[in-house]
Amino acid sequence: DQQVKQNSPSLSVQEGRISILNCDYTNSMFDYFLWYKKYPAEGPTFLISISSIKDKNEDGRFTVFLNKSAKHLSLHIVPSQPGDSAVYFCAASNSNSGYALNFGKGTSLLVTP
Amino acid sequence: ETGVTQTPRHLVMGMTNKKSLKCEQHLGHNAMYWYKQSAKKPLELMFVYNFKEQTENNSVPSRFSPECPNSSHLFLHLHTLQPEDSALYLCASSQGARQALYNEQFFGPGTRLTVL
Repeated sequence: DQQVKQNSPSLSVQEGRISILNCDYTNSMFDYFLWYKKYPAEGPTFLISISSIKDKNEDGRFTVFLNKSAKHLSLHIVPSQPGDSAVYFCAASNSNSGYALNFGKGTSLLVTP
Repeated sequence: ETGVTQTPRHLVMGMTNKKSLKCEQHLGHNAMYWYKQSAKKPLELMFVYNFKEQTENNSVPSRFSPECPNSSHLFLHLHTLQPEDSALYLCASSQGARQALYNEQFFGPGTRLTVL
């Protein structure tokens, strides 16, 4: 049973606009959330994370929002750039149950000029 | 470059072959992981090693056999695989602390495996 869901397999956004990628989770024990970015022929690279004690974390153009009551998080990219075109994976973990990261299926973002 | 390298990058093997995937990390991490990514599926954790000890085995068939001789190297030995084992196999490493705060994992580029 998939505990982390990314329901949009793809997203297309114009350069300069905001990209919003969504992620939902079912396990209320998850307390740490990460976003990874993956280019073709490369492994995923860490982008940004958030602990469950926060509801927002910002790093440059990237902001992650966490809504614990809705079990929902989102990644905002502002402004979007063509180089942001990649597959974005949401991941979640429970710090009390080991090292496992539970990944979503990913959302493919295309930023058009 | 993430500091995690994997070889080979591509591998084609028959169902009766024996092959090994290699992963090496240059980050001074203590935990290493094998993941499998099949088409249209999320990354699936296969094995976790922490300080060379296997801490998780996610119900992986015995035709996959991991080996971690030291904290920098991780192998995945393959034998009598099935065509449905064709996938991208990703290695990752992290600092190894149990707290999730330190669980940022750094991934290698993966090995694209095709089983004929």
